[in-house]
Amino acid sequence: NAGVTQTPKFQVLKTGQSMTLQCAQDMNHEYMSWYRQDPGMGLRLIHYSVGAGITDQGEVPNGYNVSRSTTEDFPLRLLSAAPSQTSVYFCASLGGAEQYFGPGTRLTVT
Amino acid sequence: TQLLEQSPQFLSIQEGENLTVYCNSSSVFSSLQWYRQEPGEGPVLLVTVVTGGEVKKLKRLTFQFGDARKDSSLHITAAQPGDTGLYLCAGANYGQNFVFGPGTRLSVLP
Repeated sequence: NAGVTQTPKFQVLKTGQSMTLQCAQDMNHEYMSWYRQDPGMGLRLIHYSVGAGITDQGEVPNGYNVSRSTTEDFPLRLLSAAPSQTSVYFCASLGGAEQYFGPGTRLTVT
Repeated sequence: TQLLEQSPQFLSIQEGENLTVYCNSSSVFSSLQWYRQEPGEGPVLLVTVVTGGEVKKLKRLTFQFGDARKDSSLHITAAQPGDTGLYLCAGANYGQNFVFGPGTRLSVLP
């Protein structure tokens, strides 16, 4: 049981580049979410999904897209990276009342 | 928008001391969770409290949910260096989405 996995661990992008942050879970959880964590601001919800084919916006969705074609995978896409998107990104899945977090992706946009 | 505040923001203590950190909001939550996060890793759930006035103990950690379900505290007895980390509280409002506080960064010195 790997839990929640995220790739890559680190990424540096130039302004305007696009990329996809990968997230996968092997616990058969329906609910998955993406957060960003910035110093002094805690974790903020970007997008979430309550099951395959269903996604919705969180608190800070601008500049990010998601899709959920399978229960296991929930990728986060940055279409045109901006320096304001420099952050640490966490994917999580919810089993019962417990959120399981991945190890995070540290993204720097120059 | 529901907001959670945490205090203190930083705390540095000697091994063996006791400490309490606080999580406060003007909003009512159906449940509240506490997480610990270590550098380079995702948050790990410590406890979930759901009933106003509820007290839960986890070894040397005592968690309390306020009677009005707007606030919570975490008390650590005889802190150890292994308790060092970022402590996050997160509130849910009868849904699956959580609002996170900014965290208390604890350092326990040997």
